[in-house]
Amino acid sequence: SYELTQPPSVSVSPGETARITCSGDAVPKKVVHWFQQRSGQAPVAIIYDDSKRPSGIPERFSGSASGTVATLTIAGAQVEDEADYFCFSSDTSGNLRVFGGGTKLTVL
Amino acid sequence: VRLVESGGGLVHPGKSLRLSCAASGFTFDSYGIHWVRQAPGKGLEWLSVISYDGSTTFYADSVQGRFTISKDNSKKTSDLQMNSLRPEDTALYFCAKDREEWMARPDNIDVWGQGTLVTVSS
Repeated sequence: SYELTQPPSVSVSPGETARITCSGDAVPKKVVHWFQQRSGQAPVAIIYDDSKRPSGIPERFSGSASGTVATLTIAGAQVEDEADYFCFSSDTSGNLRVFGGGTKLTVL
Repeated sequence: VRLVESGGGLVHPGKSLRLSCAASGFTFDSYGIHWVRQAPGKGLEWLSVISYDGSTTFYADSVQGRFTISKDNSKKTSDLQMNSLRPEDTALYFCAKDREEWMARPDNIDVWGQGTLVTVSS
């Protein structure tokens, strides 16, 4: 089995920078993707391939990876960014895909 | 791009259920399809993926041997056959499109459906 570890919660004030980490042994070898899920809604892709941003996603969202840790950064977090955030990646064999446990972001 | 899941409902433990995902708005036969579930109040759990042409499939350990994914490119649908269902399989089941074309080992989700609810209970 393979696991991606995220902090259960992160809290920031509006305008501050929020950072959500995702750690896993295969992160140096496999790209990480990030999804935002607002309450009662389906997830939305916000970062793919560690650091690429899909069209329509605000520039305040960025991603990076270093060693065994991938990081989602929200620069100048806004109240509407309150949501659950999940990382997603594969194990080194490429056979298993897995989500991190999710991080609840609070902006208040 | 749109994905619509169907087939959810209430089912007794040990029974089977078949979910379906109807796709539109993209070249279905060029993309792999994932199935993901979310138990009430819990996180996302990846279940399975099938390649663009249906030739390769991968499963999470938790459903290997019980669930079977399939893809019908002529009908633009993907199905998830779920056997020997357990109460812990109760969840909202999503299908999702892979981001990249022609991948034998899809691993990059870009668009999700809204999900169909499966409840396993006696």
